[in-house]
Amino acid sequence: TQLLEQSPQFLSIQEGENLTVYCNSSSVFSSLQWYRQEPGEGPVLLVTVVTGGEVKKLKRLTFQFGDARKDSSLHITAAQPGDTGLYLCAGVRPGAGNNRKLIWGLGTSLAVNP
Amino acid sequence: KAGVTQTPRYLIKTRGQQVTLSCSPISGHRSVSWYQQTPGQGLQFLFEYFSETQRNKGNFPGRFSGRQFSNSRSEMNVSTLELGDSALYLCASSLGQGITVNTEAFFGQGTRLTVV
Repeated sequence: TQLLEQSPQFLSIQEGENLTVYCNSSSVFSSLQWYRQEPGEGPVLLVTVVTGGEVKKLKRLTFQFGDARKDSSLHITAAQPGDTGLYLCAGVRPGAGNNRKLIWGLGTSLAVNP
Repeated sequence: KAGVTQTPRYLIKTRGQQVTLSCSPISGHRSVSWYQQTPGQGLQFLFEYFSETQRNKGNFPGRFSGRQFSNSRSEMNVSTLELGDSALYLCASSLGQGITVNTEAFFGQGTRLTVV
């Protein structure tokens, strides 16, 4: 069972459309991060959200952390082919000191068609 | 500054063989983590090294091992390869030890290992 569930698993849209992808859990996280991974590359950090209810914007990307810090969403406005990639969320659980690990979702694979 | 460098980029090995993968972190970064990425399982944490010591370990068998050198470069070794070990192996470096709420992991391009 994945601690972080991402949905949808796959998404194929046309250029210019809007989309939202989700990262959900039944557990509380101290923070959640969103990464984008392009084919043949490693994941690249897009944003970190720390406070419940926090909203962060990165150009056409809007990230939200749920009030209860159990879920997060990523909304892309007017998607472009360059947004194509695997979107991964990763979370830090409270406590555990130096034994903390980043908990990863399986990702949403996004294809934006010209 | 240079990013995280992983070598080799691609590798084909036969079942039963062993393999060593290399990771050079960003200059100044002392923490190196290793992940296995497969389509079905996603990113699975293997282990983390800081100052030449393994600080954290995932749930992988003992065939998977690693080490870190005094210059923070790290190697990962897999012995007695199995078909299921075919995956993208990613290395990530970060500045400090362990994971905090604001830890940023910088990933290399990965090593694509195929076991035949």
